[in-house]
Amino acid sequence: DAGVTQSPTHLIKTRGQQVTLRCSPKSGHDTVSWYQQALGQGPQFIFQYYEEEERQRGNFPDRFSGHQFPNYSSELNVNALLLGDSALYLCASSLAPAVEQYFGPGTRLTVT
Amino acid sequence: AQKVTQAQTEISVVEKEDVTLDCVYETRDTTYYLFWYKQPPSGELVFLIRRNSFDEQNEISGRYSWNFQKSTSSFNFTITASQVVDSAVYFCALRPGTASKLTFGTGTRLQVTL
Repeated sequence: DAGVTQSPTHLIKTRGQQVTLRCSPKSGHDTVSWYQQALGQGPQFIFQYYEEEERQRGNFPDRFSGHQFPNYSSELNVNALLLGDSALYLCASSLAPAVEQYFGPGTRLTVT
Repeated sequence: AQKVTQAQTEISVVEKEDVTLDCVYETRDTTYYLFWYKQPPSGELVFLIRRNSFDEQNEISGRYSWNFQKSTSSFNFTITASQVVDSAVYFCALRPGTASKLTFGTGTRLQVTL
């Protein structure tokens, strides 16, 4: 049974560019949440997708957007990248919006 | 507002020592869930335990044990007879009963040496 998978593993972008990160949830899960973890910090909630809609959002600017597909996989898009967007981006999936979340290995984004 | 405080930034112990990781939380919700996650160097967060706000029973799982005390808003985690493989960053997290957002503490880095 495959767990949560994320791609790519690592990514290097230049300030001002746009990036798309991808997540496939654990088998049977229909809800995907995204978190940003800066170096030395705990993960910060970005948003959650359920039934292809954004259900809850953390304190992140509109430059951060997402999408969920009919197969429950999800994308996180970040526009106009800033140096401060450098972080580990974690995807978590769950059976429903308010239950146990299982995390993927993350995508490490470096903005230069 | 939800808040989780892990005052211990880094702890170093010698293998076989017992170690306790502290977690203090703040919430106005009457129903909430508390979690502990382990993050090894690979980066993936590994779920360890979930407790709901109505269950204050302590729990033991092998060398791991958890002490939940609502009176002091604490949810501490003890590793007995620590091993090198326990070296990781440990996060305490809080979630409201009806919402999805997990609020994490800043983590405690545990280093276990031989």
